[in-house]
Amino acid sequence: QVQLQESGPGLVKPSQTLSLTCTVSGGSVSSGDSYWSWIRQPPGKGLEWIGYMYYTGSVYYNPSLKSRGSISIDTSKNEFSLKLTSATAADTAVYYCARAYRDIHPYFDYWGQGTLVTVYS
Amino acid sequence: QSVLTQPPSTSGTPGQRVAILCSGSSSNIGSNVVNWYQQLPGTAPKLLIYTNNQRPSGVPDRFSGSKSGTSASLAISGLQSDDEADYYCAAWDDGLNGPVFGTGTKVTVL
Repeated sequence: QVQLQESGPGLVKPSQTLSLTCTVSGGSVSSGDSYWSWIRQPPGKGLEWIGYMYYTGSVYYNPSLKSRGSISIDTSKNEFSLKLTSATAADTAVYYCARAYRDIHPYFDYWGQGTLVTVYS
Repeated sequence: QSVLTQPPSTSGTPGQRVAILCSGSSSNIGSNVVNWYQQLPGTAPKLLIYTNNQRPSGVPDRFSGSKSGTSASLAISGLQSDDEADYYCAAWDDGLNGPVFGTGTKVTVL
């Protein structure tokens, strides 16, 4: 049973970098059957995919982030991270890390509990 | 930034059947499978249906999914108070090279 736990600052100032880490237990970030993903949900709104990374280093981002996003994996700590530069109020959201099962058609089968990040001035 | 359209809300009485429609396009639902997620109040989403109509272990068979063309549907039969939640469809989008989610549907049990 894979478990994921997000961690990071809950408050970020505008123009600063939002940084979050997801610690994985019960599974390995080096697993060949997983895409390690970030998804966010603004308060009262729907879900938005941010990006995902495969352990080989392949990474894909939602173009809506306009190249502000960066995902990395630390196999020694069995965790992966998100950095979002030039934060604005529009980045205020609950951020979830999730595992996408790398099937022919991937789906998110394990989710973290989510962490609220507020961008405030 | 949702590109899959769902009705904002639907409701039913205990025991009734409700259905939620998810509309997309040829680049997502039309060419890929659909997954459904249930989000209970204050919690993270949970995988409910994958690959159009498959239920993960532990999901009751009261939940069923189907897909036709560029639309998909989630049906909940024998509605229970525990089913009160937000439901999201999702599908891989070939142009995005990643998943897109639906706008979400709030199910209320009257």
